[in-house]
Amino acid sequence: GQQVMQIPQYQHVQEGEDFTTYCNSSTTLSNIQWYKQRPGGHPVFLIQLVKSGEVKKQKRLTFQFGEAKKNSSLHITATQTTDVGTYFCAGPGFGNEKLTFGTGTRLTIIP
Amino acid sequence: NAGVTQTPKFQVLKTGQSMTLQCAQDMNHNSMYWYRQDPGMGLRLIYYSASEGTTDKGEVPNGYNVSRLNKREFSLRLESAAPSQTSVYFCASSALGGDTEAFFGQGTRLTVV
Repeated sequence: GQQVMQIPQYQHVQEGEDFTTYCNSSTTLSNIQWYKQRPGGHPVFLIQLVKSGEVKKQKRLTFQFGEAKKNSSLHITATQTTDVGTYFCAGPGFGNEKLTFGTGTRLTIIP
Repeated sequence: NAGVTQTPKFQVLKTGQSMTLQCAQDMNHNSMYWYRQDPGMGLRLIYYSASEGTTDKGEVPNGYNVSRLNKREFSLRLESAAPSQTSVYFCASSALGGDTEAFFGQGTRLTVV
């Protein structure tokens, strides 16, 4: 079945440093989605990428979808304490009926 | 708008007991999901329903059953709870399967002792 892996599993950064998480799928994806889960909370949708090589920005967050549509990355510039949480990528499975989530990257910020 | 509503928020069960987790969405979505979240394991799909009247197994369906009661409601049943089912359970919905964003409920923290 489809597998979606993320690295790293954990990342600790000093406030103000940059952060990047990488997502790799075993199958080609029609789209990739990114979610953020605050500690004790539920996942919340951030963005969806559809096109090969697509790059989208949300303030300090930059999302990329690979040319082969099998990998993606999320980069945060100058992290802030509000960025704390776990970031998940997610992609549709066979037939696009279900959403398979990556293993997640947990970001902690050292003030 | 309520979005996705899950009940209960917390539950403690004894091994062998049964219970049903309830989920309802008010966004007229076709697809609904049940995930479990364990430390270091991400979100694993238990069951999903692509549309009213259909259900299908996800990655970890053993020990669970589901019912898509109508378009709004998707329940998850544990017939005989086991300690391995201690987890946080999330219900989610989306308009059109994996092609559209998913909205999550607040989660149910289940402990089986």
